[in-house]
Amino acid sequence: AQKITQTQPGMFVQEKEAVTLDCTYDTSDPSYGLFWYKQPSSGEMIFLIYQGSYDQQNATEGRYSLNFQKARKSANLVISASQLGDSAMYFCAMRGPRTDNNDMRFGAGTRLTVKP
Amino acid sequence: DVKVTQSSRYLVKRTGEKVFLECVQDMDHENMFWYRQDPGLGLRLIYFSYDVKMKEKGDIPEGYSVSREKKERFSLILESASTNQTSMYLCASTYRVREKLFFGSGTQLSVL
Repeated sequence: AQKITQTQPGMFVQEKEAVTLDCTYDTSDPSYGLFWYKQPSSGEMIFLIYQGSYDQQNATEGRYSLNFQKARKSANLVISASQLGDSAMYFCAMRGPRTDNNDMRFGAGTRLTVKP
Repeated sequence: DVKVTQSSRYLVKRTGEKVFLECVQDMDHENMFWYRQDPGLGLRLIYFSYDVKMKEKGDIPEGYSVSREKKERFSLILESASTNQTSMYLCASTYRVREKLFFGSGTQLSVL
């Protein structure tokens, strides 16, 4: 079975600094997708970035980048130049082949607080 | 923009009541999902559906059922609500099974 682990319940970062949110995963399937979502206090889940298991390069989307280390089974999210609006819960998620009953598994989340 | 709408933002029900949580998406997505979110546990999949009248169990289907009579609407049903079903419920949809999910704003359900 697939499993996602986020070991940091909470993180603090100073405004304008970079921060890395950790995510490790466990799967025996060669084909999978990794996602990061942001959940502000409003509750809505916002998609940030996606990395496919066969992608050769690390994904980037604006200030977000995904540090994908396939051999270590890690997919850490890097946020550069943190802003106050980045304060939120962040969830790592993994999607496996369709044969798996659970299409998208989520980690427990990391609460990021950006300090002014 | 894709819109996933959940009928209630906050809901308070009593133990034993039958509860309906409604979710509607406007992008003709084939796949719809219901998750519950609890602190420290992340999101856990309850049920999902990849076509009208089709449903599959997720990780925690016990105590829940679902209905998908129309493509745009996916309902979560608590047949007899219990206090341990107090939680945030999130609905999501996607066109293809392996693409990113679009989420609704969530329903915070309290069962007293």
